[in-house]
Amino acid sequence: ETGVTQTPRHLVMGMTNKKSLKCEQHLGHNAMYWYKQSAKKPLELMFVYNFKEQTENNSVPSRFSPECPNSSHLFLHLHTLQPEDSALYLCASSSRTPTDTQYFGPGTRLTVL
Amino acid sequence: DAKTTQPPSMDCAEGRAANLPCNHSTISGNEYVYWYRQIHSQGPQYIIHGLKNNETNEMASLIITEDRKSSTLILPHATLRDTAVYYCIVGETSGSRLTFGEGTQLTVNP
Repeated sequence: ETGVTQTPRHLVMGMTNKKSLKCEQHLGHNAMYWYKQSAKKPLELMFVYNFKEQTENNSVPSRFSPECPNSSHLFLHLHTLQPEDSALYLCASSSRTPTDTQYFGPGTRLTVL
Repeated sequence: DAKTTQPPSMDCAEGRAANLPCNHSTISGNEYVYWYRQIHSQGPQYIIHGLKNNETNEMASLIITEDRKSSTLILPHATLRDTAVYYCIVGETSGSRLTFGEGTQLTVNP
């Protein structure tokens, strides 16, 4: 399998649930990213990991908890979310060369009830 | 990072060239111009990038003005599958500095 994969593709959860989103890249990249895309809004960068270390957290609420066990896998753990957190969550990876381009997964469509 | 300005929407006839403009008048000397597109409810897809020179790949051509204050993405023979939101982004490197704006909704009509 090639590229960036995300599971699940769709998720419905209640506000008291705990769930996790998974991202896997098969491109040999060493940087991974989480983005959020709400309806009618531009993509918002949430987290950046470089060689498994978190290098950026764009003021994301603590109910979103990222985990990067290795350069190929990235998780986003979700707990006590709010309905306004419903969005498309996108994972991306890049190789961190001077002009590294980001390759995106298909996203997880999250609905919080 | 420099800001970009793109028209909110454009239409193009199938088979014709689609020319998508982008203004980036505050671009600095070490910033690249990147183009991505996002087909409805899918992840963004990288198209092309450039620094000073015009670039061409199998998907598109990128024309950057000599003063680098604007650029144009050209899809030479647009198809219905090219209907998407096209994002023009400037940044020193991709990495964490990809700031997506509103983009241009390109609709290719039969």
